[in-house]
Amino acid sequence: DTEVTQTPKHLVMGMTNKKSLKCEQHMGHRAMYWYKQKAKKPPELMFVYSYEKLSINESVPSRFSPECPNSSLLNLHLHALQPEDSALYLCASSQDLSGGLYEQYFGPGTRLTVT
Amino acid sequence: ILNVEQSPQSLHVQEGDSTNFTCSFPSSNFYALHWYRWETAKSPEALFVMTLNGDEKKKGRISATLNTKEGYSYLYIKGSQPEDSATYLCAFIDTNAGKSTFGDGTTLTVKP
Repeated sequence: DTEVTQTPKHLVMGMTNKKSLKCEQHMGHRAMYWYKQKAKKPPELMFVYSYEKLSINESVPSRFSPECPNSSLLNLHLHALQPEDSALYLCASSQDLSGGLYEQYFGPGTRLTVT
Repeated sequence: ILNVEQSPQSLHVQEGDSTNFTCSFPSSNFYALHWYRWETAKSPEALFVMTLNGDEKKKGRISATLNTKEGYSYLYIKGSQPEDSATYLCAFIDTNAGKSTFGDGTTLTVKP
């Protein structure tokens, strides 16, 4: 199974809502990533988890809160978002970080709209 | 901020044409370069992981070369097919941060 799944596929939320994005992989990968992708732009790294510990936080606002409850799951908790946070949120995993020697497997993304 | 550039931004070719595009990246602190293909409504899919200067990787009709000293990588597609239509992204991984910085991508359209 080389699939990374993400739920939900689409999410519309108000600026006062709290919601969560979920990502799951069963490839035994020990590195997991969250990216944000705006239209016609490349994916921008947000967070990296390595062996369930937060390894990289790219100065992401605190209204985005990542969580890695176990080696297969990665969540992104959302609270008090702004309309400019509307984007495609991509999850990815790789065997481990090892300085980027392993390719990343991406999920299909969650299309988030903040109203 | 790392500067990873891809050119051209878009490319339109006829079926059967061969084509190539470029990814330019900083020549210092290189660790690895990844190529991904991203088809519309699908997930980005890894094509190659390149680590050594002079690396040449091949997968079917697609191949890539790497020059870390001058900071560029080429992706070649031989005999393009309509199913090759996609955005091709490169991602630079540096030694300092171990994180990926993506280029803006080259969008390839292959007309039958």
